[in-house]
Amino acid sequence: EAGVVQSPRYKIIEKKQPVAFWCNPISGHNTLYWYRQNLGQGPELLIRYENEEAVDDSQLPKDRFSAERLKGVDSTLKIQPAELGDSAVYLCASSQVPGLGTDTQYFGPGTRLTVL
Amino acid sequence: RKEVEQDPGPFNVPEGATVAFNCTYSNSASQSFFWYRQDCRKEPKLLMSVYSSGNEDGRFTAQLNRASQYISLLIRDSKLSDSATYLCVVNSGSSNTGKLIFGQGTTLQVKP
Repeated sequence: EAGVVQSPRYKIIEKKQPVAFWCNPISGHNTLYWYRQNLGQGPELLIRYENEEAVDDSQLPKDRFSAERLKGVDSTLKIQPAELGDSAVYLCASSQVPGLGTDTQYFGPGTRLTVL
Repeated sequence: RKEVEQDPGPFNVPEGATVAFNCTYSNSASQSFFWYRQDCRKEPKLLMSVYSSGNEDGRFTAQLNRASQYISLLIRDSKLSDSATYLCVVNSGSSNTGKLIFGQGTTLQVKP
């Protein structure tokens, strides 16, 4: 069974440019998460979807970040405009059962973003 | 104060050593606890869940002390392949909704 798929794996952009990341969760997984991981830190949740509904976006910097999950499957995370401090690894994860805290989250390989 | 705190290390140990990692969490209402493993430049993967009664998986033992809000991971007979960062993870709040709070990770380097 395929795992969580993310693209691109690497992205280098200049500051003030827009960038988008794409995620395809494991088939049948209803909950999708976007995390940001800075160097030497653990992942921090940006947004959580249950099906197509964003149920927790309290950590998403809404002035420049946006996300969508059309049809409750694939998701896109966008930054516009990017800032130097946005350089990080953006991880997508999925889990099967919405709202179940004990459900295992499976992570994709991440997109490593460098903003110059 | 961070919600989940870990000693970042690094812990440098010889093969065969026993090593223990500690973690504290601030939200007493938290219900679920985990250890994830993250290899260099890879994604985190679930290592094991942590139960109140303590649980063991081969060379790995996890313990939870709710009164002290403390979680531990013990690795016995360390292997070179155990070298990685170990992330302490806590489900946020009493609603157990799936929002995970990650510690910054503890790096383990096992040397021959």
